[in-house]
Amino acid sequence: DAGVIQSPRHEVTEMGQEVTLRCKPISGHNSLFWYRQTMMRGLELLIYFNNNVPIDDSGMPEDRFSAKMPNASFSTLKIQPSEPRDSAVYFCASSLKQEASGRDTQYFGPGTRLTVL
Amino acid sequence: AQTVTQSQPEMSVQEAETVTLSCTYDTSENNYYLFWYKQPPSRQMILVIRQEAYKQQNATENRFSVNFQKAAKSFSLKISDSQLGDTAMYFCACVRGGSEKLVFGKGTKLTVNP
Repeated sequence: DAGVIQSPRHEVTEMGQEVTLRCKPISGHNSLFWYRQTMMRGLELLIYFNNNVPIDDSGMPEDRFSAKMPNASFSTLKIQPSEPRDSAVYFCASSLKQEASGRDTQYFGPGTRLTVL
Repeated sequence: AQTVTQSQPEMSVQEAETVTLSCTYDTSENNYYLFWYKQPPSRQMILVIRQEAYKQQNATENRFSVNFQKAAKSFSLKISDSQLGDTAMYFCACVRGGSEKLVFGKGTKLTVNP
């Protein structure tokens, strides 16, 4: 089975440009997560969705960041305008939230390395 | 709020030997799950092992096992018969019951030497 798919794997852009990161979760999973990883701050949860609905976006750094999940098989994370401090690895993860336990293991995609010049 | 602490930024071990990575966490919940993830140089985050807090038995996955001390809020990872492919960053993580928000530690960089 295919795991979580992210594109692009690498993105280099200039300050002020719009950046869109894409994620396809594992088929059948109903929760999707966006994380950011930097040396300084480690792994941070930005936002997560359950059944395509945003549940917690308290980790989104500022209004320049937005995320959507138009259907169960696709999500985007957009940064507009981008800044050098947004340079990081962005991970998407998915899981199957089970009613009995309320959670399950999160499976991560390969990440997108973003560099903003 | 939950916190996860990994006190060993870096560790090294000789191939075929055993190494233990430390993790402590702080939560006021009784129902929570603990995880160890591995991140090799490829950057991929790979689940190594998980432990449900309500289970007293320590989880084991082949060469990987945990020492879960609930009262001490300690969750260490033991890697037996270390292999070169075990070289990676290892992250400890916790999620409380009723939530899906994983809280990660800062990671331990493990190097397995030939």
